[in-house]
Amino acid sequence: EDQVTQSPEALRLQEGESSSLNCSYTVSGLRGLFWYRQDPGKGPEFLFTLYSAGEEKEKERLKATLTKKESFLHITAPKPEDSATYLCAARNTGGFKTIFGAGTRLFVKA
Amino acid sequence: GAGVSQSPSNKVTEKGKDVELRCDPISGHTALYWYRQSLGQGLEFLIYFQGNSAPDKSGLPSDRFSAERTGGSVSTLTIQRTQQEDSAVYLCASSLLLAGVVPYEQYFGPGTRLTVT
Repeated sequence: EDQVTQSPEALRLQEGESSSLNCSYTVSGLRGLFWYRQDPGKGPEFLFTLYSAGEEKEKERLKATLTKKESFLHITAPKPEDSATYLCAARNTGGFKTIFGAGTRLFVKA
Repeated sequence: GAGVSQSPSNKVTEKGKDVELRCDPISGHTALYWYRQSLGQGLEFLIYFQGNSAPDKSGLPSDRFSAERTGGSVSTLTIQRTQQEDSAVYLCASSLLLAGVVPYEQYFGPGTRLTVT
């Protein structure tokens, strides 16, 4: 069964303290790995798409990487405004369904 | 440009009543998705539309749930005889249509928070 697991469930950082969020996936042929950010009371906001192992993408303080089994979202020198829930999702071949992980709640304290 | 919009933003209903949730996708987005998000949980896929047809309805939890899309644009998710376990945030997303093997990112609306009392 296709599955996406994120860890940790919650992460508390001090402003400027870099860290990484993990997304482990088991899908029958990965077609795309997505990262979204979700603020309370809002819908998820698209961040990145990764298609193949070894690929990396960056946006401001965020960098997403992909291996054959995992994806990492690295946050460099986070700021309080980076506080949100980060969702990882995978799309498999031959299907229309995107499988989401439960998310990592990130708290960045000033 | 305008993003995905959903209405109502909040809906409180009594157990046993029917509800309709509406989604207006981004103009030109042929693909449309419905998800359900319970408190503290990830997104649960419900249904996918490609134009007006729904090739994947596998996530609909029961026959009380149905959805339609008209004119390749607006979609309505209907829940009949609501139950307390239906309480959740219902999210709609749209994207460009799958082309080849490249999946396009989804753009989400703000959701409808449904509370069944």
